[in-house]
Amino acid sequence: SQQGEEDPQALSIQEGENATMNCSYKTSINNLQWYRQNSGRGLVHLILIRSNEREKHSGRLRVTLDTSKKSSSLLITASRAADTASYYCATSGVGNTGKLIFGQGTTLQVKP
Amino acid sequence: DGGITQSPKYLFRKEGQNVTLSCEQNLNHDAMYWYRQDPGQGLRLIYYSQIVNDFQKGDIAEGYSVSREKKESFPLTVTSAQKNPTAFYLCASSMTWSSNEKLFFGSGTQLSVL
Repeated sequence: SQQGEEDPQALSIQEGENATMNCSYKTSINNLQWYRQNSGRGLVHLILIRSNEREKHSGRLRVTLDTSKKSSSLLITASRAADTASYYCATSGVGNTGKLIFGQGTTLQVKP
Repeated sequence: DGGITQSPKYLFRKEGQNVTLSCEQNLNHDAMYWYRQDPGQGLRLIYYSQIVNDFQKGDIAEGYSVSREKKESFPLTVTSAQKNPTAFYLCASSMTWSSNEKLFFGSGTQLSVL
């Protein structure tokens, strides 16, 4: 079952611009995670935000969580060509410990 | 280097054949997972194991089987009952079976049908 839906499905920007990706989910969650996947590779964990947190930063990444709207956003500032990848949100539902449900992802292309 | 190793990177299956995908981790993690990824889609959970000698069905377990006889190993067998096996398969692990753990992924195996 797919819990997260991401928007947009694809995003193309110029190097130096900011990229914003959104994730919506349907049921209550324990936390929400963001992962990155380069083409043909495995996923790499970026950041985890708990249900009682509203915002979290890691380097050029900023994640927000609005549990009342059941949505999260990932902002990448000052993007680089190396940020080109697919980005996925994943949620852990209340009671479903350890089981992550992934969204369908946003494909980001950063043009040099 | 610590991490998760999946092999082979590419695998071809003939009709009626069972194939096994290998996943080994040296992170000393208790929990391990198998996900399937189809083009342009997210990951869907096939099987997971919270601890050695235990495993549970995920959302799309039909046509697949697993074992967890050793902590570091979680092989996935794609059986002939899986009629549409062509996909990218990802193995992952986490320190414990907990909602607060992040997953570490292998590099994946691309399975295709001949």
